[in-house]
Amino acid sequence: SQQGEEDPQALSIQEGENATMNCSYKTSINNLQWYRQNSGRGLVHLILIRSNEREKHSGRLRVTLDTSKKSSSLLITASRAADTASYFCAWVGGSYIPTFGRGTSLIVHP
Amino acid sequence: SAVISQKPSRDICQRGTSLTIQCQVDSQVTMMFWYRQQPGQSLTLIATANQGSEATYESGFVIDKFPISRPNLTFSTLTVSNMSPEDSSIYLCSVWQDYNEQFFGPGTRLTVL
Repeated sequence: SQQGEEDPQALSIQEGENATMNCSYKTSINNLQWYRQNSGRGLVHLILIRSNEREKHSGRLRVTLDTSKKSSSLLITASRAADTASYFCAWVGGSYIPTFGRGTSLIVHP
Repeated sequence: SAVISQKPSRDICQRGTSLTIQCQVDSQVTMMFWYRQQPGQSLTLIATANQGSEATYESGFVIDKFPISRPNLTFSTLTVSNMSPEDSSIYLCSVWQDYNEQFFGPGTRLTVL
């Protein structure tokens, strides 16, 4: 399949806990991006990490990239109920057109 | 960042009819993309639309079913033709800035009865 894998498919945690989502892909990449989607709406871009970067932070978000393992992870620290959403990774190769993973559905209980 | 609007935001259509979805961007962009997201699924690229040329369709999508127009650098339409219930999805347009970040419209939720 062109799509990689994201795990877990679903994640349910309590407010204040950390949430970790993983993404694996199959091709060489220029960059990898993470998006959030609330309730079947449009996607919101969260963070982009380039192939020569290993870690990137943005507020409560921390993204890592291991190109040797073709994998990335998104960590949301101190989660809030408002973080409840689906999270997608998308990897960008030579065509510069992102390919999306299957997504992780995150539920944060207040 | 680009701001994208889509019309309609949602629609319920009868089998066999067609629906045209509009995508408007607040800045000029070269490449626009149309995606489909079936219920509970990830995004699948339908086609890439460049201004002044024919759209490029991904495997499994054809122009007769999903005709696309791109009359200028800020606007595009996607038509879902001869609809069936299997076409019930969210359709999203997106644009690409600086070959990095993609911006997405809010999506059009289509239900076909």
